[in-house]
Amino acid sequence: SQKIEQNSEALNIQEGKTATLTCNYTNYSPAYLQWYRQDPGRGPVFLLLIRENEKEKRKERLKVTFDTTLKQSLFHITASQPADSATYLCALGANFGNEKLTFGTGTRLTIIP
Amino acid sequence: SAVISQKPSRDICQRGTSLTIQCQVDSQVTMMFWYRQQPGQSLTLIATANQGSEATYESGFVIDKFPISRPNLTFSTLTVSNMSPEDSSIYLCSVEVDSGTPNEQFFGPGTRLTVL
Repeated sequence: SQKIEQNSEALNIQEGKTATLTCNYTNYSPAYLQWYRQDPGRGPVFLLLIRENEKEKRKERLKVTFDTTLKQSLFHITASQPADSATYLCALGANFGNEKLTFGTGTRLTIIP
Repeated sequence: SAVISQKPSRDICQRGTSLTIQCQVDSQVTMMFWYRQQPGQSLTLIATANQGSEATYESGFVIDKFPISRPNLTFSTLTVSNMSPEDSSIYLCSVEVDSGTPNEQFFGPGTRLTVL
């Protein structure tokens, strides 16, 4: 069965350092992968989408890589700030046109001042 | 983008009763989704609700337990029927904006349901 795993339930990073979150998947051939941010008591907020034929995507302090051979995506936040503290979810889509997403379990990131 | 509101934001219900959750979007959208997020778990898709057609349910979810209405392009309801404590969860609706980034979903704030 399809499985999506995100590294460690919780990750603590010192302010100013780079936070790296991992998303691994098995039994899946996604056309794209997304990252969302979820704050307590709120719904997820879309951050980035990367397609299967893209290796890397950047948006301001965020960087996402996608390795379909390793079946892994890495999500980096550079120059991390306490305001980046949240739960981060990866989500996989089977193909464009089929909008159904399968979500990972999430990683709770805390940036320590 | 899309702004989504949900009602109620939270509720505590007795076993055996039903609760209807409303989802309102500030613009017309074709694709609408209902998710469940159990404590410590990720989001699980319950069903896809497109206006003008029956909702499509994912494996493990049935219409009798989670009936969905989609009367127009800005509104949907999800009913959790004959509730048990196992239904305690956060229920979220999301939409895909027709003119937005493909496959980007916007989520509502969620409805926190506790069943006693």
